Formats: sequence, C-alpha cells, structure tokens
Amino acid sequence: EDQVTQSPEALRLQEGESSSLNCSYTVSGLRGLFWYRQDPGKGPEFLFTLYSAGEEKEKERLKATLTKKESFLHITAPKPEDSATYLCAVSFNDYKLSFGAGTTVTVRA
Amino acid sequence: EPEVTQTPSHQVTQMGQEVILRCVPISNHLYFYWYRQILGQKVEFLVSFYNNEISEKSEIFDDQFSVERPDGSNFTLKIRSTKLEDSAMYFCASSWTGVDGYTFGSGTRLTVV
Repeated sequence: EDQVTQSPEALRLQEGESSSLNCSYTVSGLRGLFWYRQDPGKGPEFLFTLYSAGEEKEKERLKATLTKKESFLHITAPKPEDSATYLCAVSFNDYKLSFGAGTTVTVRA
Repeated sequence: EPEVTQTPSHQVTQMGQEVILRCVPISNHLYFYWYRQILGQKVEFLVSFYNNEISEKSEIFDDQFSVERPDGSNFTLKIRSTKLEDSAMYFCASSWTGVDGYTFGSGTRLTVV
C-alpha cells in the first residue's frame, strides 16, 4: 500500500493562474515532510521541510502547508519557469525518505 | 552553496558487468544515501549509510549491491553483475542530521544493454 500519494498527477496552468498540489500520507510517526522540485533528467532539488501540523513555509511563489495527514504546495501566480515535477517525500520513524509519484506542473505563457 | 557531486553522469554497461557509481557528499554531512528512479516511476530508497556502516536497506538492495566510503570523502555504489532491470537514474544524497536537509546529487543514468 502506498504511504505517500500525490494529486493531481499532472497540472496545466496558464501563467498567473494560482493552484495547489496535494500530498497525503497514511502512516503515523511523521518525522518530517519534504517538498522537492525535479527538472527532467536532474536530481530532486530541495524546497521545504515541514515537521508539525500547522507549519507553513514560503519561498518566492511557493508556499507549503502541513496538516495531520496531508500537505499542500500552493503556487501563486506561476511563471513558465515554475514548470517542473514537484515531489513530496516523508520520513517516518527511520532515516529514509518515501517519495510520492510527483505532480508534473506545466505553466504556459 | 554546497553540492553533492556524482560521476559519471551517464554510464552504459553490458548485462553481467560490474559498475561503480561514485558520489562526493557534502563535506560535513554524516548520513549518506542511494536512491534510484526507473524512468517514469517514483524515486525509491536503496540504502542508508552512517558511521561507516549500512543503517538500513530496501528489498531492492540485494547481494548484488554494495556501498563503500573508501576514503572519507567518496561514497560509492557497486552493482556486481548488472541486469537489464537495473537501468535507472541513481541518486546519491547526504544529510547532516538524517532527519532533514537531504541534498541530492544530479544523478547517474545507468543503461544496461
């Protein structure tokens, strides 16, 4: 059973059209929830770590929030350069990351 | 900004051959990892390494795989006898605490023919 589920699988946005990506997890004992950006053929690039429900982090047009069983990545007024796959990963009662399948975001000018 | 460096960026090998993928983690990090991503699939955990020993490994990490930190700066993944299904992007990562700050390298694309 998947521990980390991301939705939607793909998101096509017009430049400036804000939207949100979802990451939900099913196992208890969360150590941390991580958001990464991945460009084609590249490694995951760190964006945020969230540790507890209610926590929020922001970076430029991106804002990540965490509740007890899910996290949202909000993209405000996206630009074409925000096009990428956004990966959610969680660390449970161990020191490894379990990744979701990602949401591929395409922003059209 | 400190980086995790991986070499080579792309390796093509024949089935049954041994390959060594190399990584230079961030210098003051203590936890080291290998992950892989088969084309179109999730990033999957392979192995974690701390204090000069494997701390955890996945079911994928069988006897054909081994890791080593030979000289205090490099971290290597060896696949003894490659199979077609080993074709994937292999990512090295390192972390100071093991809980956060995981930094990934840009990956080695391994193609087994």
